[in-house]
Amino acid sequence: QVQLQESGPGLVKPSQTLSLTCTVSGASIGSGSYYWSWIRQPAGKGLEWIGRIYTSGSTNYNPSLESRVTISVDTSKNQFSLKLSSVTAADTAVYYCASSTVIGGGWLDPWGQGTQVTVSS
Amino acid sequence: DIQMTQSPSSLSASVGDRVTITCRASQSISTFLNWYQQKPGKAPKLLIYAASSLQSGVPSKFSGSGSGTDFTLTIGSLQPEDFATYYCQQSYSIPTFGQGTRLQIK
Repeated sequence: QVQLQESGPGLVKPSQTLSLTCTVSGASIGSGSYYWSWIRQPAGKGLEWIGRIYTSGSTNYNPSLESRVTISVDTSKNQFSLKLSSVTAADTAVYYCASSTVIGGGWLDPWGQGTQVTVSS
Repeated sequence: DIQMTQSPSSLSASVGDRVTITCRASQSISTFLNWYQQKPGKAPKLLIYAASSLQSGVPSKFSGSGSGTDFTLTIGSLQPEDFATYYCQQSYSIPTFGQGTRLQIK
């Protein structure tokens, strides 16, 4: 079955760019069968969908973050990545990657275990 | 954006109780509604998809219903492992989540 694992720096300085990678196993990221999403959750708060990418490279982003977000895919490494620019303390959160099937109804399953990112100088 | 509103925000119940959580969409989303369970320090887990379909491996005491703008998640005979936070999510358009319902032991 599909498994996802996030990785990247746990500490980012304000105004810099947050960069995370999600490594996919159990499925080919280039198969065209899935959307690959990023979601975040500040401590003690709810879930915020950041954006997603399809194998073709087409993306959808949360309008509230769109100006700062880039999601890309690397089929050779079976990974997809998140870049969030000009970060502030408000971007401190646990970041999750997740997948959804193209032919399904957009439910997110499975999820990675999540990675904590703290924005601080 | 489609706004998702859950009620209640928190709920206290006892082992053995049956509880219902409601999720309302700001516009019709047909049955593009999914429910997740999240325990502290863990990733959300899909329980119900397409409003009423039970995800594989999820106990049948979890059930979902609704269409259009109003949806419910019902949990029968609560057990200690069911006390968690529950989120709805619409997948009709750009995904959005409800604010969550924290289910606590009374």
